[in-house]
Amino acid sequence: EVNLVESGGGLVKPGGSLRLSCAASGFTFSSLSMNWVRQAPGKGLEWVSSISRNNDYIYYADSVKGRFTISRDNAKNSLYLQMDSLRVEDTAVYYCTRFGMFGGVIRGFDVWGQGTMVTVFS
Amino acid sequence: ETVLTQSPGTLSLSPGDRATLSCRASPSPRSNYLAWYQQKPGQAPRLLIYGASNSATGIPDRFSGSGSGTEFTLTISRLEPEDSAVYYCQHYGSSPFSFGQGTKLEIK
Repeated sequence: EVNLVESGGGLVKPGGSLRLSCAASGFTFSSLSMNWVRQAPGKGLEWVSSISRNNDYIYYADSVKGRFTISRDNAKNSLYLQMDSLRVEDTAVYYCTRFGMFGGVIRGFDVWGQGTMVTVFS
Repeated sequence: ETVLTQSPGTLSLSPGDRATLSCRASPSPRSNYLAWYQQKPGQAPRLLIYGASNSATGIPDRFSGSGSGTEFTLTISRLEPEDSAVYYCQHYGSSPFSFGQGTKLEIK
């Protein structure tokens, strides 16, 4: 069964740091690009960052550029998000998602974890 | 950067009705890389449609996507109570992979 499990969320003060992790299973992790998407309480979905399978391409939303760092360890089937200089507006559920690919066709974000909550409070 | 605008903001329909949700893109996403997701309260989003019109695995055939260029539509025929959710469109052809603001579908 394909599965993504996030961890590392919690409470942190403005200016603090957190590192989110996402453990992948049930598929060949090293063959697919991965993403982080967040959702503030009561709000819509916001794409945060993406990383290609071999780290060739890394992208960030303007709202987190220079503060967040995405990385992956293909040997450990894991995705990470290092979040520094956190702000109150970073409070959200953070989802780990897979960039689906089948038969050479990109299929959007086809698998999602259940999310981990990050709360930045002063 | 492609901006997605969804309409209506809220849709209230009865079981058995047909729902039509719109997503307008500006500029048009590369290669029609447009997806639709369903999100129910307390749950992660679920991929419904990719490539504007292709159904994801396990999605009932009541859900269909159409459109190209700058206008895209998600149609849900024969609404069921469990279709009550927020629906988002997203383009994934090039960064930033932004989402629309969502359409809330209520089943009376």
